[in-house]
Amino acid sequence: AQKITQTQPGMFVQEKEAVTLDCTYDTSDPSYGLFWYKQPSSGEMIFLIYQGSYDQQNATEGRYSLNFQKARKSANLVISASQLGDSAMYFCAMRESLSGYSTLTFGKGTMLLVSP
Amino acid sequence: NAGVMQNPRHLVRRRGQEARLRCSPMKGHSHVYWYRQLPEEGLKFMVYLQKENIIDESGMPKERFSAEFPKEGPSILRIQQVVRGDSAAYFCASSPPTGTHSPLHFGNGTRLTVT
Repeated sequence: AQKITQTQPGMFVQEKEAVTLDCTYDTSDPSYGLFWYKQPSSGEMIFLIYQGSYDQQNATEGRYSLNFQKARKSANLVISASQLGDSAMYFCAMRESLSGYSTLTFGKGTMLLVSP
Repeated sequence: NAGVMQNPRHLVRRRGQEARLRCSPMKGHSHVYWYRQLPEEGLKFMVYLQKENIIDESGMPKERFSAEFPKEGPSILRIQQVVRGDSAAYFCASSPPTGTHSPLHFGNGTRLTVT
């Protein structure tokens, strides 16, 4: 089974509007971390935001917020007031600790295009 | 504070040659991870190393691929006798020795092209 599922291959949004990128995950580990990364066309991987499984509040970082619904195992990224520079691939990822150490497992990504 | 440094940024090899990809982690990070990204796909885990130890190589192809992180110097991902299917972006990431709460910090990647 897929550990991280991103069901939207592509999303379009107009500048200044908000957009939600979906992410669901699958784990039996009670302690895990959820991460979002941005990959612009230049190719680098940029860390955006983190949510811990025990965090009571949704994470926020500037225009990014994470809509964390633990019972539904979803961790959607919300980008408010989209900018042209937000056009990029966005990856949801998870770290678990079942094996005593943890690597990062990625979803397939969502391509976001912001239009003027 | 330098980030994760990968070199070369681009690497072209003919089929059958060897490719050596280098990664220097962020200062203070002792854990290194290698990922591969095929065109229009997400990142796939290859190997996780600490200094002088391979912790998890479950994502590494069984043949031709090897990785090391010596006591001194960068981590090296080595691909012997490259084939066209090895063409991909290879990312290195590092983290401090903590659990699930720390993000991995990625280098800019090495784009390998096999001709």
